[in-house]
Amino acid sequence: GAGVSQSPSNKVTEKGKDVELRCDPISGHTALYWYRQSLGQGLEFLIYFQGNSAPDKSGLPSDRFSAERTGGSVSTLTIQRTQQEDSAVYLCASSSRGGYSDTQYFGPGTRLTVL
Amino acid sequence: SQKIEQNSEALNIQEGKTATLTCNYTNYSPAYLQWYRQDPGRGPVFLLLIRENEKEKRKERLKVTFDTTLKQSLFHITASQPADSATYLCALLNAGNMLTFGGGTRLMVKP
Repeated sequence: GAGVSQSPSNKVTEKGKDVELRCDPISGHTALYWYRQSLGQGLEFLIYFQGNSAPDKSGLPSDRFSAERTGGSVSTLTIQRTQQEDSAVYLCASSSRGGYSDTQYFGPGTRLTVL
Repeated sequence: SQKIEQNSEALNIQEGKTATLTCNYTNYSPAYLQWYRQDPGRGPVFLLLIRENEKEKRKERLKVTFDTTLKQSLFHITASQPADSATYLCALLNAGNMLTFGGGTRLMVKP
């Protein structure tokens, strides 16, 4: 079956512009996560959606970052007024139940470059 | 503060040898620990999960140990192959009930 997909695969933008990154999770997965990975660094948690519950936004680095999940499926991560330090690979993952022992399935990521 | 430390230097080994990667953590009391593999340009792929009451877990050529006293997990690949070359990440459940990842260790297996 299809895995997690993300689009675009690469995004180059100018400082100050807004960007939207999309994630299509595995069908039927109730939990969805966004992470950020800077060059040579580990994954930094950004936000977590579980079913219809309010999302856990505790990892968002600033109010320029927001995310939504429509219909419990597709998610969009929006970065407003992008800065050069936002340059990173943004990874999305989904899991079937969202429990902490649950396996997370990752998409290929979106590489964001802010000039 | 909570930390997960993996050796940031690449581990270079010869094909056929056993690779051992280390994950150390501080200020955590994890019930679970996970290991992932990440290839360049791809997202991480889940490999193994080990619970706090399990000392060792095996899957094919992979073996993971979990020592809650030492606050350390070891990840072993026996009979390593060039195809095992990748970055390996450990991940722990943090205080907020979310997975926190280490920085990963890059493994290079030379033929």
